[in-house]
Amino acid sequence: DAKTTQPTSMDCAEGRAANLPCNHSTISGNEYVYWYRQIHSQGPQYIIHGLKNNETNEMASLIITEDRKSSTLILPHATLRDTAVYYCIVRGLNTGGFKTIFGAGTRLFVKA
Amino acid sequence: DAMVIQNPRYQVTQFGKPVTLSCSQTLNHNVMYWYQQKSSQAPKLLFHYYDKDFNNEADTPDNFQSRRPNTSFCFLDIRSPGLGDAAMYLCATSRGTSGDNEQFFGPGTRLTVL
Repeated sequence: DAKTTQPTSMDCAEGRAANLPCNHSTISGNEYVYWYRQIHSQGPQYIIHGLKNNETNEMASLIITEDRKSSTLILPHATLRDTAVYYCIVRGLNTGGFKTIFGAGTRLFVKA
Repeated sequence: DAMVIQNPRYQVTQFGKPVTLSCSQTLNHNVMYWYQQKSSQAPKLLFHYYDKDFNNEADTPDNFQSRRPNTSFCFLDIRSPGLGDAAMYLCATSRGTSGDNEQFFGPGTRLTVL
């Protein structure tokens, strides 16, 4: 079973930051938080992952709370092409050892 | 560019007629995975290979089999496709299976069963 909870859908204005929350209150110490996104009819695309510290790459930033029970994916300047389903996933030894178990995800709509 | 390739992108088969989907990777990753994604649902793991070691998910039907003849290739065989097997099939790879190994997904093969 998925170990994360995300809102079903969110809207964001083009050019604004998109902040996608994720709750993972049962996360264990050795489990990583991953974010993937899936644009319609394509394979999931890796975005970012982290363990404890905040992470940033060319696509996004990942903010993990100090107690690690929740995180936020930030797309700093959303574009129309960022419209997709965003999956927050907890992955690690306690998650079946190797499994990437997808939850329902958040459908992000970026509007002009 | 290193990548995960799936062929064909679209596959049509008849009810009960065996079908094979293929996946190849140029990443030289140890692990290859197969996922099934039905319409409007999240991907669901079917099985994976760590090198030659096959690991089946408990709820994967016997109708689904897999082969990995070498590091680069992995096949998904559906022995007797039913209408309920129509879905997108996703192949993914990773260097290892620990938590700090991201998975890279292919574009998927959309299977239609007539």
